[in-house]
Amino acid sequence: GQQVMQIPQYQHVQEGEDFTTYCNSSTTLSNIQWYKQRPGGHPVFLIQLVKSGEVKKQKRLTFQFGEAKKNSSLHITATQTTDVGTYFCTQAAGNKLTFGGGTRVLVKP
Amino acid sequence: NAGVTQTPKFRVLKTGQSMTLLCAQDMNHEYMYWYRQDPGMGLRLIHYSVGEGTTAKGEVPDGYNVSRLKKQNFLLGLESAAPSQTSVYFCASSPTGGNGYTFGSGTRLTVV
Repeated sequence: GQQVMQIPQYQHVQEGEDFTTYCNSSTTLSNIQWYKQRPGGHPVFLIQLVKSGEVKKQKRLTFQFGEAKKNSSLHITATQTTDVGTYFCTQAAGNKLTFGGGTRVLVKP
Repeated sequence: NAGVTQTPKFRVLKTGQSMTLLCAQDMNHEYMYWYRQDPGMGLRLIHYSVGEGTTAKGEVPDGYNVSRLKKQNFLLGLESAAPSQTSVYFCASSPTGGNGYTFGSGTRLTVV
């Protein structure tokens, strides 16, 4: 099935700095969902974007859906150690989610 | 307010043994899913169900069977375990196939 590609695969961030992870698709996405999985934990749903150009914020996290609905981004400001984990973007299609490899975020104190 | 509960949390099997993983949700969700996650990788869909009494294959269904006899429960069976099935198994549920999923805490299975 259709899969979104995430970049980068790994992100080493200094505590206090900002970073962005990106999802790209060669075809138009009907929606995009973001999940976070802490080390040793389970995926936790963060947000869903549906509209072209949509921007949503959750405290230090800003999620954006591209105008053409072919890409999405997650921007985290003032990174904290609690941001450590793997962030997945995925599309719900055909009543199911297909996950890619995600972006693994490591925070240097 | 349990959400999605998976049992057992850990299990070690010998090659050829069988077992059943249980997933239970108390949110009245129609859709339920079984994923497996291997080290450093994303989640791969094994089987899913769009309602009581229904099941469908995902991307890696071979070696697994499922049943959804009750809306709140989704069972994953391994008839003859193989070392390649060593993984972390996650169950998830959703009110519809397009909403955010709620995941269980996972079952860590080792086949020796």
